[in-house]
Formats: sequence, structure tokens, C-alpha cells
Amino acid sequence: QSVLTQPPSVSGAPGQRVTISCTGTSSNIGADYDVQWYQQLPGTAPKLLIYDNYNRPSGVPDRFSASKSGTSASLAITGLQAEDEADYYCQSYDSSLGGSLFGGGTKLTV
Amino acid sequence: EVQLLESGGGLVHPGGSLRLSCAASGFRFDSHSMGWVRQAPGKGLEWVSVISGLADNTYYGNSVRGRFTISRDYSKNTVYLQMNSLRAEDTAVYYCTKDRSHNFLQSALDYWGQGTLVTVSS
Repeated sequence: QSVLTQPPSVSGAPGQRVTISCTGTSSNIGADYDVQWYQQLPGTAPKLLIYDNYNRPSGVPDRFSASKSGTSASLAITGLQAEDEADYYCQSYDSSLGGSLFGGGTKLTV
Repeated sequence: EVQLLESGGGLVHPGGSLRLSCAASGFRFDSHSMGWVRQAPGKGLEWVSVISGLADNTYYGNSVRGRFTISRDYSKNTVYLQMNSLRAEDTAVYYCTKDRSHNFLQSALDYWGQGTLVTVSS
């Protein structure tokens, strides 16, 4: 079980808004370490979606946004599209571990 | 254009060894940490190892520490993962990754290779 906890699955209809949570502890998100989010489409390598808590790399639509508060972070996707169906992972550094780690992943069904 | 091209995966017996390679291009190689992330079949992502831009720092996940060794060759712009004493639970797709910033172990991974499959089985 990952130290960063994500819901195993979420779903939404096309056009709707969904959020994916990433709950950490005082040694990772709660210690103000940055959170990243990755999207993994079926059969492909993960892709960076959000870096340093809320920044989008070039080319990522502004339908994707993220926030962080306390020991948790969340990814929001608005105007859901069929091509958003993928697995989503959060990532942060953990001072107790002395390294970085991923959340368990969330499967989004549209 | 940044490219990361892995090679070296395959089928190996338990207790055996394998060396993965990741040829990088399109960026200043010595300015970025490079690493490996793996994904077992049907499972999530697991951090394996990272090496800093100047190779003065390395990190290994608990499950591979003492068995895997990461290195980099600046003349070939290539990162390696030497995997020894392989176990069935090491079976996974191994992705080569590039760090976005200079913050060792805390950076986002802004580029990923296509992955190479390692299967440990008798």
C-alpha cells in the first residue's frame, strides 16, 4: 500500500468535471514537498501532466488543473472527453523514505 | 526533441542478471538526473533508481537496493541499470526517465522512454 493514497477509480460522463485526490502524510505532501501528476493512457508510457503542484507543461490543456492543501493534493479535469480515459498517478518526495514515491494510481472511466 | 530509448530487456531466470540501457538525446545530458521507474503487469508505478547529473548522487528503492546499480556514460549519453540477483517480483516494464529540474529526488519526470519489458521466470 502506497504512502500516497489515491482512489482506485473514478468516473464521469463526457463534459462533466471529476477530481482525483492524493492523500499523503506529514513527511511528504504535508511537509510542503511538491506534487506532480502523470497521465498514463492504455498501453503507453506515463506522461507528465502537472508539475510543482499546479503547473502545466506546454501542450497540456487547461482542462487539467491541480491544487494542494495540508497533507492532500487533487487533480481536477473539466469538460471530460473520451480520450481522458486513463490511469492517473500523483508523486511526491517523502523525507521518511528519503526518496520519491508514487500514489497507487486512479483509473478514470469516461 | 528529447528522446529516451531503452534497450536490454528480455527473459531471465531467477538469480540471473540483466543490464538495461537508455540512450538519451535532445538535451544537455550532464545537466539532468536520470532514473528508472518500473511497472509490474497490471500494477502501479514504482520508483527504482535515480542518478544525479554529475553522478555524485544515487538513490535506490528499498526493493532493489543492494541488487541493482545505476550508472551513466557521458561519452554515449547513456544511462544503465545493472540488475543482479533477479527475482520473479522484478518482472515489469522498466521506463527510463529524465528529471525536469535540478532538485535531486524531488523533481518531476518530464520525459519517459517507451519502456522495456523484463521477465524473470524459470
